[in-house]
Formats: sequence, structure tokens, C-alpha cells
Amino acid sequence: NAGVTQTPKFRVLKTGQSMTLLCAQDMNHEYMYWYRQDPGMGLRLIHYSVGEGTTAKGEVPDGYNVSRLKKQNFLLGLESAAPSQTSVYFCASSYFLPGHRNEQFFGPGTRLTVL
Amino acid sequence: KQEVTQIPAALSVPEGENLVLNCSFTDSAIYNLQWFRQDPGKGLTSLLLIQSSQREQTSGRLNASLDKSSGRSTLYIAASQPGDSATYLCVLTQGGSEKLVFGKGMKLTVNP
Repeated sequence: NAGVTQTPKFRVLKTGQSMTLLCAQDMNHEYMYWYRQDPGMGLRLIHYSVGEGTTAKGEVPDGYNVSRLKKQNFLLGLESAAPSQTSVYFCASSYFLPGHRNEQFFGPGTRLTVL
Repeated sequence: KQEVTQIPAALSVPEGENLVLNCSFTDSAIYNLQWFRQDPGKGLTSLLLIQSSQREQTSGRLNASLDKSSGRSTLYIAASQPGDSATYLCVLTQGGSEKLVFGKGMKLTVNP
């Protein structure tokens, strides 16, 4: 099992450009999450999904859109990138069954720089 | 609102010391608590997970405990090694929620 993978690993954008980050998991997890990590801020939730075809806003959703067309994939889109979106982005997944461990698994991260 | 605190933010120790990393939280209605390790420029690696009904979990030199009534968890690292140098994060799942609440982490440096 590959676990949680993220594509790309690094990216540099100019202000106003758009891009899509791809997260894929092969553990048949229902729940998937996108976080950003900034120095001194810890990890903050951008958007999440509790199943195929569903998405919900997290703590810092502005400037981002997401889609979960397939259970194994969760896409994060930046329509018009801004320097404030320079960050490291992490995807995570888990199942959520009452009485179970419900462990979270994280991807390796995508380092995005917006000039 | 649930808040997770890790103090101190950084710790530097000589190799071989036994360490206790602390995590405190404000709402005892948690589903589980995980300790993660993050190396510079890398993702989060799960070390131990404690479900709300459990008191502790052990893996090798690591032992994590959970006391919901006092809102505390500790991660014990025995005989620390330079390879243990990393940032350690305390992360919990709130009861009745699919969201995680993160501590800001503690940067550990173990000097040879």
C-alpha cells in the first residue's frame, strides 16, 4: 500500500496563476482532509470530505476549492494564487467507525511558493 | 472550543536522557489522541494512538498516557537518541466530530 500520496511535491507559482494539488489514498478511507502548515501557526484545516461527492469548509477555506469525485482522490484547487498562500500543504485520510481506532494518515506534503 | 497546548515549544537535551513531553487539552470529550513526529521538510508520522477508553499505549521506547479527567497526555521517550530529534505533535479527535485539533508541537533536539 502506498498510503497517502500527494502530487506535486514542490511548485512555484506567480500571483494570479491557478493550480490543482492532488491527494490520493489507497486505504479505502471515507474521510479526507487538506491542511496548510505555516511557521508559528501549526496545521490549519482548509477543507475536508466525509465521503465521495461531499466537501465541507474548514478553518481557512477562502481562496481554495476542493472536489471529491472519486473516493480515493481529493483535489485542492487555487483559482488565483496569492503570496499569502505560500505554505506547505498536507493531505490526510482516515476512516471513522464508532469504537475503532480511526487513525489519521498524512501525506508527505506539497511545498508551494507564490511569487 | 477545544484547545491543545504543548509546553515547552522547544527542548534540547543530551543523549541518553529519559524525556516526558506534555500535552494538555481543555475539553475532555475526546474520541482519541495521537502523537505524531515530524522531521524537517517531511510529513507527519504517527507514533502512538490512544483511544478515549484507554489509559496508555507503548511502542518500543515510547509510551503515551492519557488522563481525560485532568485534560493531559504525556509522551515518554526512554533513553533518548540523536535520531529522536524532531517536532512532536499532539493531535486529538473531538468526540462527535470528524475534525482534528492540533497542538503547535514541541521541537526536540537530542545532542550526541
